[in-house]
Parts: sequence; C-alpha cells; structure tokens
Amino acid sequence: DTGVSQNPRHKITKRGQNVTFRCDPISEHNRLYWYRQTLGQGPEFLTYFQNEAQLEKSRLLSDRFSAERPKGSFSTLEIQRTEQGDSAMYLCASSLGRGQGTYEQYFGPGTRLTVT
Amino acid sequence: LAKTTQPISMDSYEGQEVNITCSHNNIATNDYITWYQQFPSQGPRFIIQGYKTKVTNEVASLFIPADRKSSTLSLPRVSLSDTAVYYCLVGDKGYGGSQGNLIFGKGTKLSVKP
Repeated sequence: DTGVSQNPRHKITKRGQNVTFRCDPISEHNRLYWYRQTLGQGPEFLTYFQNEAQLEKSRLLSDRFSAERPKGSFSTLEIQRTEQGDSAMYLCASSLGRGQGTYEQYFGPGTRLTVT
Repeated sequence: LAKTTQPISMDSYEGQEVNITCSHNNIATNDYITWYQQFPSQGPRFIIQGYKTKVTNEVASLFIPADRKSSTLSLPRVSLSDTAVYYCLVGDKGYGGSQGNLIFGKGTKLSVKP
C-alpha cells in the first residue's frame, strides 16, 4: 500500500454513459497525476496537477475527459460519453514536488474501466 | 517529445545480476531519469532516480553516462519476485515551468527463472 487510494477499483459501464473516478493522494503531496494503461503498454500520461492547478494535459486527451482537484486534495477524473476504446486501467499517482525534473511518484492501485 | 527505447523482454536466473538499458536521445537538461517496477494488476512502484553518473540504493543501481542519452538499471542477484515489467521514465518539459508530458517507455518484461 503506497498511501494513494483510488475508487472504485472496478467500473463496468455501457457505451455512452459518463463515469467518474476518484483519487486520494498522500496527504502532504502537492503533485497529482493521472495515467491510462492498456494491456501490454506502459502508462500513458493524461494530466498533472500542482496543488489545485492543472498544469499539463496530454495533447492526446479527448475533450470527453476532464479532471479536477478542488482545494488541492483529492482529484476526480470524468469521462463523458464513454467509448469502448476508453476501456483501460486508470492510474493515479502523487509526488512531493522538489523542483522541475524530479519524478518520484507513488501510484495507487488503479481503477479498471470496462466499457461494454 | 523525449522518447525512450528499452528491450521488450529479458530472461535471467535467480542470483544473477540483471542490467536493463534505456535510450533517451532527447532528454532535456533538467530532466531526471527514473525507473519503475510494475507487477500485474498493480500500479508502478518507484525503484530509483538519477541525474548523472551513478546512483545506488538498497535495491538497485543506476548508471548514467556523461551524455545522458542512455541509462542502465542494474539489479544485483535477482530473485523470482523480481519478475515484473520495468519502465524507464524521462520527463519532457512543458510550458510555464510545469513538468510537461511524462513519458513511460514500453517497458522491459523481466522473467527470472529458478
């Protein structure tokens, strides 16, 4: 257990429905990341927060995806109008920022999304 | 974007030293190189991080040459429990001082045999 929790752990939804995932980072960590991982591939960066500010968003990220981190604590990732291609493991990670270029991240167990 | 290249898979036997090399030709000046380990159905776990030369901790060593265009993760005396996928991570600078898009390599699947 890294101290990063994600809920739910599994989500099955029908195509076209909206889903929301939650991530609770390690409490003193100011940086929070979302990744997506499909079978046999490395984690794909989605977005990054420093405190409550969303500082980076992948160019590959569809407009159907949105993330928030109100008050710089927990974060939510919402996917609107889900598609079968959204089926993946969604990983959250947090880190204690020590300047640009340091990436010691602690990952949660992930939320596995299946779109039918 | 800074991309990484790693061998897709490696085999080893218990007790041997394993070296996994990652190429990252476009690494940015301020970027660190970080390695993660991932078991099935779990999130990646931090192993080691370095900027240049050599870094060692209780589980691994990281060797980085002067040009920083590659790095080598060294696992001493591997055991069956080291069977996992190993990822090399190099950050790509974004705008406004952010960390930019973080790119994992495709990973190296290490299989340790008895």
